[in-house]
Amino acid sequence: KAGVTQTPRYLIKTRGQQVTLSCSPISGHRSVSWYQQTPGQGLQFLFEYFSETQRNKGNFPGRFSGRQFSNSRSEMNVSTLELGDSALYLCASSSGTGTDTQYFGPGTRLTVL
Amino acid sequence: GQSLEQPSEVTAVEGAIVQINCTYQTSGFYGLSWYQQHDGGAPTFLSYNALDGLEETGRFSSFLSRSDSYGYLLLQELQMKDSASYFCAVRDQGQGGKLIFGQGTELSVKP
Repeated sequence: KAGVTQTPRYLIKTRGQQVTLSCSPISGHRSVSWYQQTPGQGLQFLFEYFSETQRNKGNFPGRFSGRQFSNSRSEMNVSTLELGDSALYLCASSSGTGTDTQYFGPGTRLTVL
Repeated sequence: GQSLEQPSEVTAVEGAIVQINCTYQTSGFYGLSWYQQHDGGAPTFLSYNALDGLEETGRFSSFLSRSDSYGYLLLQELQMKDSASYFCAVRDQGQGGKLIFGQGTELSVKP
């Protein structure tokens, strides 16, 4: 099976702009989770989508949003970018059960100038 | 709230054994997972403990004690390629099942 893919791999934006990141899960996986990774904060959970519904949400402001399509592909959007949003954004797919393994994509490196 | 504590850095030599500890505070969880992340790469799953005790997968073993709120990852016969960050994680029942990660332990293997 093909792995989790994320596009784009690198992105440079300026403060105030918005950005949309895309994630294609492993075929057959219905759950997609998004994480923000920074050197100081580690891996922070953003949200999880399962069958097009947001199942869990982390402690991030409303500027961070996401959605999942019927083919399980997911997008996350960050509006009104701030310098502190510079990070590696990782998505992970899984079957969606409580004890399942997360399969991570390579991430999108977002730099906000 | 829930939290997982890990040492920030560990250094060991090739061929040695190293243990990375993870202590946690959650209201309830499904199990403890471990992930490995090389510099610039994506986290990859290493092991999962649903029940107390030791799980062995090749050179890697993982242990869980729910009564002690403690787990560890044991790496044997260390190789240079084991230099990476290691994260423990729990899927927290009290948080709707979201996956909570520790801050990660950076392992440096020296020749």
